[in-house]
Amino acid sequence: DTAVSQTPKYLVTQMGNDKSIKCEQNLGHDTMYWYKQDSKKFLKIMFSYNNKELIINETVPNRFSPKSPDKAHLNLHINSLELGDSAVYFCASSQDRSAGNTIYFGEGSWLTVV
Amino acid sequence: QQPVQSPQAVILREGEDAVINCSSSKALYSVHWYRQKHGEAPVFLMILLKGGEQKGHDKISASFNEKKQQSSLYLTASQLSYSGTYFCGTERKYGNKLVFGAGTILRVKS
Repeated sequence: DTAVSQTPKYLVTQMGNDKSIKCEQNLGHDTMYWYKQDSKKFLKIMFSYNNKELIINETVPNRFSPKSPDKAHLNLHINSLELGDSAVYFCASSQDRSAGNTIYFGEGSWLTVV
Repeated sequence: QQPVQSPQAVILREGEDAVINCSSSKALYSVHWYRQKHGEAPVFLMILLKGGEQKGHDKISASFNEKKQQSSLYLTASQLSYSGTYFCGTERKYGNKLVFGAGTILRVKS
């Protein structure tokens, strides 16, 4: 059983398109995240939700819109894709928003914009 | 604020030891260590909370010097399986976000 699963794993799309990445966790965690890892391997937080409530919203273009229908799911929708959006997007979860909690990562979604 | 990791990269032979450092200019609540292999997700290694504790399992251990706001990851008698990129992540206060360093590439050769 995969604890944090995200789909699709690979996505190649053209500039200007709109795409979504879905994420689900079966750990019973309250908090979920989206991280972006660029070509230099820099891992940066984008959003965090706690029990469906947005708690962290970093300086991310508003073309990126997260949605959490319930605490087990956190999806990421990206509008008008640009070349610079090419990266690996990791979904993750933790027990709650308390400090010191282990963050469990999904396997990543490789997005390539051409 | 992103923590600073050093070195950027290190190459070892099997059986050798390595130390990876992670430092912050701000007071920290916790330090997390992760290892990521190529094409895979980061995998949790350990968490250290403020208080200067040291943790470890198997031949990988870590310390957290609260006064210096610095953590070190110690890999002893390295194995080929230790190869990967090691990231430290820091939290500055309770309930705050985890910010990762730029990573340290570790390669163990036979």
